[in-house]
Amino acid sequence: DAGITQSPRHKVTETGTPVTLRCHQTENHRYMYWYRQDPGHGLRLIHYSYGVKDTDKGEVSDGYSVSRSKTEDFLLTLESATSSQTSVYFCAISEGPTVANVLTFGAGSRLTVL
Amino acid sequence: QQPVQSPQAVILREGEDAVINCSSSKALYSVHWYRQKHGEAPVFLMILLKGGEQKGHEKISASFNEKKQQSSLYLTASQLSYSGTYFCGSQEVQGAQKLVFGQGTRLTINP
Repeated sequence: DAGITQSPRHKVTETGTPVTLRCHQTENHRYMYWYRQDPGHGLRLIHYSYGVKDTDKGEVSDGYSVSRSKTEDFLLTLESATSSQTSVYFCAISEGPTVANVLTFGAGSRLTVL
Repeated sequence: QQPVQSPQAVILREGEDAVINCSSSKALYSVHWYRQKHGEAPVFLMILLKGGEQKGHEKISASFNEKKQQSSLYLTASQLSYSGTYFCGSQEVQGAQKLVFGQGTRLTINP
């Protein structure tokens, strides 16, 4: 299996609290992505990174920020969590947007905001 | 903008065939297909490129109609292991860094 781990795997928090999810890879892939998965919406892109300190917004970036200070780590932060951010969050990595830009996903982090 | 998948759900008996469709309102460079089993992460199945090149799974086939911005995934003689949710992902231009996924199609295979 590709070396990609997400932490925490499960978290319950209260509205208004900050939350940080971590994605760690050992593949030295340049590209990293954060998606959220909700019933009826599939996988929606939140933010992605194409290198250290290089990030960009996805479709549903409001309320989220990201940081990538090292190639192996991509952090997703909810500054003030809301109930609408209850979801399963998946991190994904890829070698790059080449012809065969295949995504490898982490196991997911289930976040519940009460 | 998310591509649209159809049907949203399908139930089959083992051995039957299934077709899952994915359409986009935008011109596409490539379409990707992923499968997700319950409680697990999505896993890559196949990529179809503009111009007809196909890379991926040996037992599942797909087509890509560039003019209609549509792709179809064909699962023939379905097996129990094919159950799961299938997602198509669209890449609008070569080199695009984002992959935008459809809402998913849930496939259930019964014995």
